[in-house]
Amino acid sequence: GAGVSQSPSNKVTEKGKDVELRCDPISGHTALYWYRQSLGQGLEFLIYFQGNSAPDKSGLPSDRFSAERTGGSVSTLTIQRTQQEDSAVYLCASRTGTGELFFGEGSRLTVL
Amino acid sequence: RKEVEQDPGPFNVPEGATVAFNCTYSNSASQSFFWYRQDCRKEPKLLMSVYSSGNEDGRFTAQLNRASQYISLLIRDSKLSDSATYLCVVPRSGGYNKLIFGAGTRLAVHP
Repeated sequence: GAGVSQSPSNKVTEKGKDVELRCDPISGHTALYWYRQSLGQGLEFLIYFQGNSAPDKSGLPSDRFSAERTGGSVSTLTIQRTQQEDSAVYLCASRTGTGELFFGEGSRLTVL
Repeated sequence: RKEVEQDPGPFNVPEGATVAFNCTYSNSASQSFFWYRQDCRKEPKLLMSVYSSGNEDGRFTAQLNRASQYISLLIRDSKLSDSATYLCVVPRSGGYNKLIFGAGTRLAVHP
């Protein structure tokens, strides 16, 4: 498709389980971001990938969170041993050369 | 001081009103700035980019004040469809590497 694609759109899991969230960016965009948005809150930066450079992981809230980007395209955000406070919408965005971010529709994670 | 600060609102205005939002930032090295719009339970979408002193697009005007480190968004002749949350975005460094979002300002336009 033409836009950023994220899956799953909704995920309900039990506390302690691991989850994987996937992002397929716009073709040709070399930069990819993950953000988290809790209900009624702003966007919290998690991680940034740019080409083949080392990712900027400074926003990851704990070592339970990790992300990778394979082949400079698809990215996976993994949350291990999920906690209730991890419940949020996880937004992925890819970026143009002039700084514009295109967001996917998000993955809504609910941890019971 | 937060990296990016916005008045959370809500701003409740009648149709046709002019409304302005401010966004202050702490990193003086930031060169370009963005305003995004986010509708309820939707993803953010780019409204305007601000690269120099300002930018205008129809009813929307964005201005940058580097000396005071703030950007503003002015909406003229407000429409009901303008009701949304407006997010200010600032790069943490000089480039676009880490784009930091403000918490957003809610606008509600009523008939």
